[in-house]
Amino acid sequence: NAGVMQNPRHLVRRRGQEARLRCSPMKGHSHVYWYRQLPEEGLKFMVYLQKENIIDESGMPKERFSAEFPKEGPSILRIQQVVRGDSAAYFCATHPPGVYNEQFFGPGTRLTVL
Amino acid sequence: GNSVTQMEGPVTLSEEAFLTINCTYTATGYPSLFWYVQYPGEGLQLLLKATKADDKGSNKGFEATYRKETTSFHLEKGSVQVSDSAVYFCALSEVQGAQKLVFGQGTRLTINP
Repeated sequence: NAGVMQNPRHLVRRRGQEARLRCSPMKGHSHVYWYRQLPEEGLKFMVYLQKENIIDESGMPKERFSAEFPKEGPSILRIQQVVRGDSAAYFCATHPPGVYNEQFFGPGTRLTVL
Repeated sequence: GNSVTQMEGPVTLSEEAFLTINCTYTATGYPSLFWYVQYPGEGLQLLLKATKADDKGSNKGFEATYRKETTSFHLEKGSVQVSDSAVYFCALSEVQGAQKLVFGQGTRLTINP
């Protein structure tokens, strides 16, 4: 997972606040996946983005969650009006162009909602 | 839909013991199969993978064989070390569309000296 950067590594929010999680892919990688890991569970897919496009958002909750991957800058996962159930580790993963079956993961952002 | 079922943990072994972590899957088509490892406080690292039936993935003494007939991808290691203590995730990559990863629930492995 060298090269995939996420920040912040830890984020604490109170209920009702907004959380912004950032993911910077490895150099040359133009696709980003976001996954969520609830405590003691496996990772669950949320959204898949290409630069300036959302390709698959079938795992995103219908409300409060959004994601973007602008032409310049990191991918951002945004959670509005956080609730305690949003507490989880959020990981992003990227893959090289055309190589879909090897994803490189970032270290994750651990979100705690008080 | 696609799914992955892993052997429930936690698993505790002594150093140099033989390790097996079972993984079975349900999928449409012929997905690629993976084992990822997660050390405390870190992200996931790819341990090994197999992309077609009968392929054997191997790395750092770990092995897993893609068995289409039993839809399994069991992880094995002949002699575990304390440093192998981690959470292990079996996963498949969907064949169509975004080819997102579908994970099992993870198996926590602890190796005692």
